[in-house]
Amino acid sequence: QVQLVESGGGLVKPGGSLRLSCAASGFTFSDYYMNWIRQAPGKGLEWVSYITSSGSNVYYADSVKGRFTISRDNAKNSLFLQMNSLRAEDTAVYYCARDSSSWYLGVWGQGTTVTVSS
Amino acid sequence: QSALTQPASVSGSPGQSITISCTGTSSDVGGYNYVSWYQQHPGKAPKLKIYDVSKRPSGVSNRFSGSKSGNTASLTISGLQAEDEADYYCSSYTSSSTYVFGTGTKVTVL
Repeated sequence: QVQLVESGGGLVKPGGSLRLSCAASGFTFSDYYMNWIRQAPGKGLEWVSYITSSGSNVYYADSVKGRFTISRDNAKNSLFLQMNSLRAEDTAVYYCARDSSSWYLGVWGQGTTVTVSS
Repeated sequence: QSALTQPASVSGSPGQSITISCTGTSSDVGGYNYVSWYQQHPGKAPKLKIYDVSKRPSGVSNRFSGSKSGNTASLTISGLQAEDEADYYCSSYTSSSTYVFGTGTKVTVL
């Protein structure tokens, strides 16, 4: 079945770095745009970034631009989010999600938790 | 990009209908028919309920329906059931080629 599994979350100090991964299965990964969305504790959803199917174009929310880098490895069916210069306000559950041809997020992973604290 | 505006909470009795609004601008909700709605139960990942303003994915109950007028989209849940108690988020494509989510609405079944 179609599945997305995130990993790589954890506790990191302010200013530190973390790399999240999302393993895809059950569909042709290279056909789809992919996204990262986050949710701070007790807060709403915030779109973070997406990458086109080939990886040639990437887009970021203003809140992470210049600090986060999205990438993908289509040969390994994997999506990544490199997070640098982390701040307390980056503390959240991070979800990867599969895009569609019509700008909606039809498949979501279970999320991985990132905590930025000294 | 500012979040789309949703009411913080909406409630209804079993069997009733409720409507959740989602207000944006001409650069997002009003400019494209790419509004989607997600349901999220506590501790779970969001689940798609409506896409392209009013289309339902396979397997989603026809008790869920969507519409749009100008810069405001709406999600209606008819025949409210206990299992519908959850948080609901709207989302839209934007003129910046990004996504924006709504502020979220907590639905309570009385």
